[in-house]
Amino acid sequence: AQSVTQLGSHVSVSEGALVLLRCNYSSSVPPYLFWYVQYPNQGLQLLLKYTTGATLVKGINGFEAEFKKSETSFHLTKPSAHMSDAAEYFCAVSSTGNQFYFGTGTSLTVIP
Amino acid sequence: SAVISQKPSRDICQRGTSLTIQCQVDSQVTMMFWYRQQPGQSLTLIATANQGSEATYESGFVIDKFPISRPNLTFSTLTVSNMSPEDSSIYLCSVSDGGNTQYFGPGTRLTVL
Repeated sequence: AQSVTQLGSHVSVSEGALVLLRCNYSSSVPPYLFWYVQYPNQGLQLLLKYTTGATLVKGINGFEAEFKKSETSFHLTKPSAHMSDAAEYFCAVSSTGNQFYFGTGTSLTVIP
Repeated sequence: SAVISQKPSRDICQRGTSLTIQCQVDSQVTMMFWYRQQPGQSLTLIATANQGSEATYESGFVIDKFPISRPNLTFSTLTVSNMSPEDSSIYLCSVSDGGNTQYFGPGTRLTVL
């Protein structure tokens, strides 16, 4: 069975500060890991993904995430928050690309 | 990645009625998926729709309540039948890129009164 835990349903950061959104997963097989972003009144947009290879993956809008197998984590970071980063962020895990398991989401607020 | 559109983008419906949501993709895809996102919650997979075969439903979802059509490789519909206020949600379709990634449509925001 697979599952995702996102620590912190709400995260607030100041503009220009580091963004860190936490994601831990459980999977009995090597996972595919994803971060999606949902802006207000919109669908989900793929930020980045880890499938194989380099464990540090870079995505759009300056975000990156590191797959740490020993910690079963896939935390999302951005060095400097921008007001436009305010959104809901979802971590997801899959082993096949078909059945996706999503975390409960983290709402990011950026304070000017 | 594929460009996915959904119709309607939002609707307000009366209890007991049905709504059909359309999902259109700009390229041929084998697998399409329908998800529900209840207010303030994460995404839950309703069913997987493959062209030429019946949809596969996840536990807790049944065909009588959520009938799905997949007439070709670029189109699918989800019907929410005999609606109640508990069906108020965002309904999203997604497509697989043939590998390990899914891409999502903009969603349909449904309110049932």
